[in-house]
Amino acid sequence: EDQVTQSPEALRLQEGESSSLNCSYTVSGLRGLFWYRQDPGKGPEFLFTLYSAGEEKEKERLKATLTKKESFLHITAPKPEDSATYLCAVQARGSGSNYKLTFGKGTLLTVNP
Amino acid sequence: SQTIHQWPATLVQPVGSPLSLECTVEGTSNPNLYWYRQAAGRGLQLLFYSVGIGQISSEVPQNLSASRPQDRQFILSSKKLLLSDSGFYLCAWSAPGRGGTDTQYFGPGTRLTVL
Repeated sequence: EDQVTQSPEALRLQEGESSSLNCSYTVSGLRGLFWYRQDPGKGPEFLFTLYSAGEEKEKERLKATLTKKESFLHITAPKPEDSATYLCAVQARGSGSNYKLTFGKGTLLTVNP
Repeated sequence: SQTIHQWPATLVQPVGSPLSLECTVEGTSNPNLYWYRQAAGRGLQLLFYSVGIGQISSEVPQNLSASRPQDRQFILSSKKLLLSDSGFYLCAWSAPGRGGTDTQYFGPGTRLTVL
């Protein structure tokens, strides 16, 4: 069974204080790993897709990296508007799994001014 | 550009009542469509997905059903709601074909409370 564990569950940062969120996964052959941002009461907003170990992607203050067992979402000099829940999901290879995303429970990030 | 709509945004229903949630996608043809549920303290759970009109696959046995009467319309239904059906229901779409490997994009969600 595919599993995704995100840590920490919650993280408080001061504005400008860089940090990283972790996503550990167990999957029988990774097809893709996805990062989403979710604001309270809204649907998840797509951030990144990573397909193979060593791959990195950046968007503004966010950078996602991938190894064979985990992914990190690095936040550089965060601002209060970066406050949100960040979700990680994996998609496995194999018949019957092609469409399914397995999500972690998310990391609630709060950035104080 | 593509847009995904869900309604209603919020719904409060008594136990045993029926349910119908609707999702529509604009700006694409023959999308793959998905229904997820997000319960408090739990990750998003895939309920149903569809690769075409009338083609529905269920991931989790439950009190719910899904239908796709038109290419860009996806409906989540129940004949009798249970308390455990409460949650945040999200519809998502991805580009057609390619075995569902494309990114899934989510709608704004429907908050369902069953009393």
